[in-house]
Amino acid sequence: EVQLLESGGALAQPGGSLRLSCAASGFIFSNYAMHWVRQAPGKGLEWVSRIGGSGGSIYYADSVKGRFTISRDNSKNTLFLQMNSLRADDTAVYYCAKAFDSSSFDCWGHGTLVTVSS
Amino acid sequence: QSALTQPASVSGSPGQSITISCIGTSSDIGAYNLVSWYQQLPGKAPKLMMYESNKRPSGVSDRFSGSKSGNTASLTISGLQPEDEAHYHCCSYAGSSTWVFGGGTKLTVL
Repeated sequence: EVQLLESGGALAQPGGSLRLSCAASGFIFSNYAMHWVRQAPGKGLEWVSRIGGSGGSIYYADSVKGRFTISRDNSKNTLFLQMNSLRADDTAVYYCAKAFDSSSFDCWGHGTLVTVSS
Repeated sequence: QSALTQPASVSGSPGQSITISCIGTSSDIGAYNLVSWYQQLPGKAPKLMMYESNKRPSGVSDRFSGSKSGNTASLTISGLQPEDEAHYHCCSYAGSSTWVFGGGTKLTVL
């Protein structure tokens, strides 16, 4: 069974940093691109970042470019999101998602809550 | 990277059919046949319901169907059931390896 389990969400101050992790199991992790998608309270989903299976082909939404860094450790089947210079509008549940094909996401974690507030 | 436009809410009675629209632009929905739809039950993670505009993943009921015309994609649910009550999100590939979602639609089964 494919499973994704996020962790690392917490309360952070504006300007602070957090590192999210996503532990994957049930599939050959290195064969698949992975994404981060977030959902602000009461809002819709927002795509954040994508990384290719081998760790290349990295892309970001304009809203996080230059502040967030996606990475992965295929030896540990783990996806990461380093979040720096956090802002109040980064407050959201952050989901990791497995790429199904070039355009959709077929498995999602349960999400981890990031709250940015002073 | 502007969000796709979805109605905030739709409703229908059991057994009826409803359609949720998702309006984009010529840079996203209109440019690619790469629209996906996700069902999100309260407090749960999204579930893939449709990909490449009109393809159902294994295990998704054939009561769900998708279509696309121009800059607009649609998800139709026929034979509404109480368990279909959820939020539905559309998503489109937007070029340059970026993706854009809609604001989500709350479906109420009356």
